[in-house]
Amino acid sequence: SAVISQKPSRDICQRGTSLTIQCQVDSQVTMMFWYRQQPGQSLTLIATANQGSEATYESGFVIDKFPISRPNLTFSTLTVSNMSPEDSSIYLCSVSSGGTDTQYFGPGTRLTVL
Amino acid sequence: DAKTTQPPSMDCAEGRAANLPCNHSTISGNEYVYWYRQIHSQGPQYIIHGLKNNETNEMASLIITEDRKSSTLILPHATLRDTAVYYCIVRVGLGGANSKLTFGKGITLSVRP
Repeated sequence: SAVISQKPSRDICQRGTSLTIQCQVDSQVTMMFWYRQQPGQSLTLIATANQGSEATYESGFVIDKFPISRPNLTFSTLTVSNMSPEDSSIYLCSVSSGGTDTQYFGPGTRLTVL
Repeated sequence: DAKTTQPPSMDCAEGRAANLPCNHSTISGNEYVYWYRQIHSQGPQYIIHGLKNNETNEMASLIITEDRKSSTLILPHATLRDTAVYYCIVRVGLGGANSKLTFGKGITLSVRP
């Protein structure tokens, strides 16, 4: 399976600021996804990061709040904009590619907004 | 809506088999059953998946009933490190945008010494 890294692993931010989370994969992948896991909750899909085009967002998530980039087949970023304490969560990227199309997850970024 | 139903929690003794049930009575013919686990807020870890045949790998076995309406994940010799939340997910296996996973609440497995 692909090796996935995320930066930063954790951060504490002030409300009103923005944070960009990076997801790097050690091999080219077809699909990249971003999930959010709020405290004590399960994972919720934010969007599918599309290479060379705009991300596809799930209901309840908008590009202005969570802009996503995917410049190539191994890298994606998620920005959490104008943060509030409600954005405190673990943000996870995942990837899948051809074959069985199994999805693999990164280690996550733990974000705390004060 | 979640397509699977799992008990909220269960426990087992270390060294014994852990049998984790999942109901997916509305599963479609082209949907696979996937199992992931999440240990203490780490990223979810893929365990196993299947369509209709039973599957086994180095981590676990997946038993799917003949009517495919339920399945059981078996950890043959549970250790303390297997304590985690286990998610049973059904998903169309066509790739692309259909690759997205819908997580329910999962089942919390506690392995006791």
